[in-house]
Amino acid sequence: ETGVTQSPTHLIKTRGQQVTLRCSSQSGHNTVSWYQQALGQGPQFIFQYYREEENGRGNFPPRFSGLQFPNYSSELNVNALELDDSALYLCASSIEGDGNTIYFGEGSWLTVV
Amino acid sequence: QKEVEQNSGPLSVPEGAIASLNCTYSDRVSQSFFWYRQYSGKSPELIMSIYSNGDKEDGRFTAQLNKASQYVSLLIRDSQPSDSATYLCAVNIFWSGQNFVFGPGTRLSVLP
Repeated sequence: ETGVTQSPTHLIKTRGQQVTLRCSSQSGHNTVSWYQQALGQGPQFIFQYYREEENGRGNFPPRFSGLQFPNYSSELNVNALELDDSALYLCASSIEGDGNTIYFGEGSWLTVV
Repeated sequence: QKEVEQNSGPLSVPEGAIASLNCTYSDRVSQSFFWYRQYSGKSPELIMSIYSNGDKEDGRFTAQLNKASQYVSLLIRDSQPSDSATYLCAVNIFWSGQNFVFGPGTRLSVLP
């Protein structure tokens, strides 16, 4: 158990729709990152939030956005869904000063049809 | 573009053999290196971390790092069928805090 929970675990959306994925981290984990893992590939860094501010972003378009809340929960929002957005979305949290120790949630499987 | 490369496999070894997994990375300033195991349909779990040149052993696992060659490897001794999984090599880009760059993973199959 990593203490990081994600919801929903599975969902199906239609192309063009919007989706919100949620993550709840352990108390004190004020850094959270989101990763996208397409089938057969390694996770790819989407962005990182630290104390409710985005402070790092990978090569993803602006329709991928996020929020981090004071209660150590966070959201990943994806607008205008495309078929290629179908993937496992992973949330990973860490405590301040120890970015090398990350705790993954079990992920949210998104299928876009 | 910072990249991490791995052979995608599948790598098949008989039970009890040594499995050798390799990884190269492109960013010379990378400082922290990790091996994760991922079972099908599950999230990655950390097996080993290594920060300095040389070998690091933990049970049946040995990680090896050579920063001059930008190469990191994982050896699994006495391989078991339960070791069958995808192994992800990852590098943490320090300047971004928590920003892991993952390789595509190597699928390992341990045959009974």
